[in-house]
Amino acid sequence: ETGVTQSPTHLIKTRGQQVTLRCSSQSGHNTVSWYQQALGQGPQFIFQYYREEENGRGNFPPRFSGLQFPNYSSELNVNALELDDSALYLCASTPFGGSEQFFGPGTRLTVL
Amino acid sequence: KQEVTQIPAALSVPEGENLVLNCSFTDSAIYNLQWFRQDPGKGLTSLLLIQSSQREQTSGRLNASLDKSSGRSTLYIAASQPGDSATYLCAVGPYGNNRLAFGKGNQVVVIP
Repeated sequence: ETGVTQSPTHLIKTRGQQVTLRCSSQSGHNTVSWYQQALGQGPQFIFQYYREEENGRGNFPPRFSGLQFPNYSSELNVNALELDDSALYLCASTPFGGSEQFFGPGTRLTVL
Repeated sequence: KQEVTQIPAALSVPEGENLVLNCSFTDSAIYNLQWFRQDPGKGLTSLLLIQSSQREQTSGRLNASLDKSSGRSTLYIAASQPGDSATYLCAVGPYGNNRLAFGKGNQVVVIP
């Protein structure tokens, strides 16, 4: 069984640019959550997608947006990148009827 | 707002000793609590999930307890090994959604 996968692994952008991060959820999972982890900190909840709709959002501005597709994969889009957006972005999926979250390896975003 | 604290932030132990990692949370109205392991620059690996109705969970050398009324959880790792060196993160999940609130982690070094 394939776990949660994320792409790309690493990404370098400059301030003001836009970025799209991708996540493929584990087979049998229908909910996807995105987290931002700054260096030395615990992950912070960005938002969650269920049945292709946003189902809860953390304290992040609207320039952070997302999508979920019919196959339950997901994208995180960040517009107008700022230096503070540099972080490890983690995607997690949850199985049908379950509550345990399974995380992918993350995408390391560096904004210069 | 849920606040999660992990103490100690960092610790070193000689190989073979038992590890005790503490997690406290401010809002006892939780649905579940999850312990994760994170290696440097990597994603999160789920170790144990405790539902709010449970007092503890065990997996191999790992045991996690939950005292919801006092807002505390403890992760015990028996007979530590150098391969246990990592950061351990505690996360609590509320009722109604999968929005995990994380602590900053316990950074563990097991000395051979």
